[in-house]
Amino acid sequence: EAQVTQNPRYLITVTGKKLTVTCSQNMNHEYMSWYRQDPGLGLRQIYYSMNVEVTDKGDVPEGYKVSRKEKRNFPLILESPSPNQTSLYFCASRGSDTWQYFGPGTRLTVT
Amino acid sequence: AQSVAQPEDQVNVAEGNPLTVKCTYSVSGNPYLFWYVQYPNRGLQFLLKYITGDNLVKGSYGFEAEFNKSQTSFHLKKPSALVSDSALYFCAVRVLSGYALNFGKGTSLLVTP
Repeated sequence: EAQVTQNPRYLITVTGKKLTVTCSQNMNHEYMSWYRQDPGLGLRQIYYSMNVEVTDKGDVPEGYKVSRKEKRNFPLILESPSPNQTSLYFCASRGSDTWQYFGPGTRLTVT
Repeated sequence: AQSVAQPEDQVNVAEGNPLTVKCTYSVSGNPYLFWYVQYPNRGLQFLLKYITGDNLVKGSYGFEAEFNKSQTSFHLKKPSALVSDSALYFCAVRVLSGYALNFGKGTSLLVTP
C-alpha cells in the first residue's frame, strides 16, 4: 500500500529538548515536504526536498532543520523546541503525480 | 507570489442539499489547483485537481470543482451533501513550474441531518 508514515503520532516535550519526527514514504517519490497546521492559518510549508541531499526552506523554516540522506526518509529536527512550535505537523511526498500524499500527522506539544 | 483565499471559515448545509465551498487564488503563471479534505484526527486526502483542459473537474466522493480563470476561482461543489462529508476542506495552488504548494486556511463543512 502506498503510504507516508510519520512517527511519533503524538509527542509532549519540554522547551529545549531536542527531538526528531521521522517521515518515510514507500513510493520512491523524489519530492518531500513538511508542513505545520495551526488553527486559522491553514497549512504552512516548513521545508521541502526535491531529491536526496537537496533541501530548501519553505515559508516558516525558523527553528527547524531537515535532512535527506535517503530517498524514502525526510526527518524533521527541532534542535531546541519552544512553545510556539506546538502544532500539528504533516509530512508529504509527491512523485510524477501532481498531487501530494500526506502522512497521518504528528501532534507536538512543547511545554 | 502565489496565494489562496477561502473566504468562509465554516459552511453549513442540510443533508441532500447542494454544497459549495469557495476558493480564489492568485498566481503568476498557469496554476495547478487542488482540493484536499481532512477528516478529524486524519491526514489530508487528495480530492481533485485542475491542471488544464475542461474547466469542470470531477473528483472523489462525488465532488467536483469549477475552474474560472476570469474570476480566479476554483469552487468545490457537490450536488447532494451527505452527513459524512462533514470535514475540513483545503484549497491549494501551485505554479506549474514550481514546487511550493500554498494552502488556504481551510473551510469547515458541517452537513446536518
